[in-house]
Amino acid sequence: GQQVMQIPQYQHVQEGEDFTTYCNSSTTLSNIQWYKQRPGGHPVFLIQLVKSGEVKKQKRLTFQFGEAKKNSSLHITATQTTDVGTYFCAGPGSGNTGKLIFGQGTTLQVKP
Amino acid sequence: NAGVTQTPKFQVLKTGQSMTLQCAQDMNHNSMYWYRQDPGMGLRLIYYSASEGTTDKGEVPNGYNVSRLNKREFSLRLESAAPSQTSVYFCASSEAAGGQFFGPGTRLTVL
Repeated sequence: GQQVMQIPQYQHVQEGEDFTTYCNSSTTLSNIQWYKQRPGGHPVFLIQLVKSGEVKKQKRLTFQFGEAKKNSSLHITATQTTDVGTYFCAGPGSGNTGKLIFGQGTTLQVKP
Repeated sequence: NAGVTQTPKFQVLKTGQSMTLQCAQDMNHNSMYWYRQDPGMGLRLIYYSASEGTTDKGEVPNGYNVSRLNKREFSLRLESAAPSQTSVYFCASSEAAGGQFFGPGTRLTVL
């Protein structure tokens, strides 16, 4: 079945360092979404990428959708303690129902 | 706007007991979802409802039932709780294939 894999599973960085998480799908995706979940919280929708090769920025966060629409990345420049949490990518499941297949997430810890 | 609300926030059950988790959204979304989240397992879809009056199984539906009561409300029922159902349950809603908006979650422990 369709799978969405994320690496790394965990990442510890010093505040101010950059961070990148990678997402790979076993199938071509029509779009990819990214979510952030703070410790003890719920997932919060960050962004959706639709076009091949698309790059979008949200302040220090840069999201990229691969040319083949099978991979994506999230890069955070100069991490801050407020970036702590788990970042999930998600691709559409079968059928046009809105359901998503989530990656297992990358948990980011930032040392002040 | 409250977004997506869930009740209860916490629940402890004994094996074999039943309960219903409630979810409501005020964003007029057609699609609603129930997920469970376990450590190291990410978010796994239990059931979803693409529109009022329809429900369908997700990745892990066994042991659960759902009801799409109306456009706003989507409930999840555990008929006979098992320790394997100890988890955090999230309800979410979306408009078609757009981003999903999650509720605060229900932390369920089954003893």
